[in-house]
Amino acid sequence: VQLVESGGGLVQPGGSLRLSCAASGFAFNNYSMNWVRQAPGKGLEWVSTIGRSSSNTFYADSVKGRFTVSRDNAKNSLYLQMNSLRAEDTAVYYCARKMPGAVSDYWGQGTLVTVSS
Amino acid sequence: QPVLTQSSSASASLGSSVKLTCTLSSGHSAYIIAWHQQQPGKAPRYLMKLEGSGSYNKGSGVPDRFSGSSSGADRSLTISNLQSEDEADYYCETWDSNTVVFGGGTKLTVL
Repeated sequence: VQLVESGGGLVQPGGSLRLSCAASGFAFNNYSMNWVRQAPGKGLEWVSTIGRSSSNTFYADSVKGRFTVSRDNAKNSLYLQMNSLRAEDTAVYYCARKMPGAVSDYWGQGTLVTVSS
Repeated sequence: QPVLTQSSSASASLGSSVKLTCTLSSGHSAYIIAWHQQQPGKAPRYLMKLEGSGSYNKGSGVPDRFSGSSSGADRSLTISNLQSEDEADYYCETWDSNTVVFGGGTKLTVL
């Protein structure tokens, strides 16, 4: 199982960024996926979950209305579109595989998003 | 939704054992949790899934020194024969129908 995030970088407040997570080594379409972030020096914070077929999406209150999670099962890829970014969104963003009806069991290496002027 | 409470720090000597605890909030004592380890500068790593019965399933490659146990709302991770590489942050995770929840993490120092 391998999860590789990309798309992070420096963005100004109010800007947008799209993160990607490339999955391999397992049947991607059989698993829900999580986005989890970690601000510098802080703990893990759940951001979003998407179901196997994209029919179900869930968001933390802190990002609801600004972030959109999606996936392309044909490309074994997970995405996080982040709009109206704020300084407090600065964090390393991880994608994680979610065991069926259970917790995360594999993590990517993370991609850093810095929101600053 | 459930809340997970962890001590902020713990320490133990090289070669000894340590028990880290994650406590589920009232009304959620039957929930399954996961333990994750995050070594400095690295991504989190899944250690195990732990049920209220005390049954646990470890991830691939997790050493036998790591074990889990449960008592009521407490979900514990025990590390035996502590090694220097066990110095890390440890997080517990659970989920509800629409939410994933993490504990605040315990920073383990190996003396």
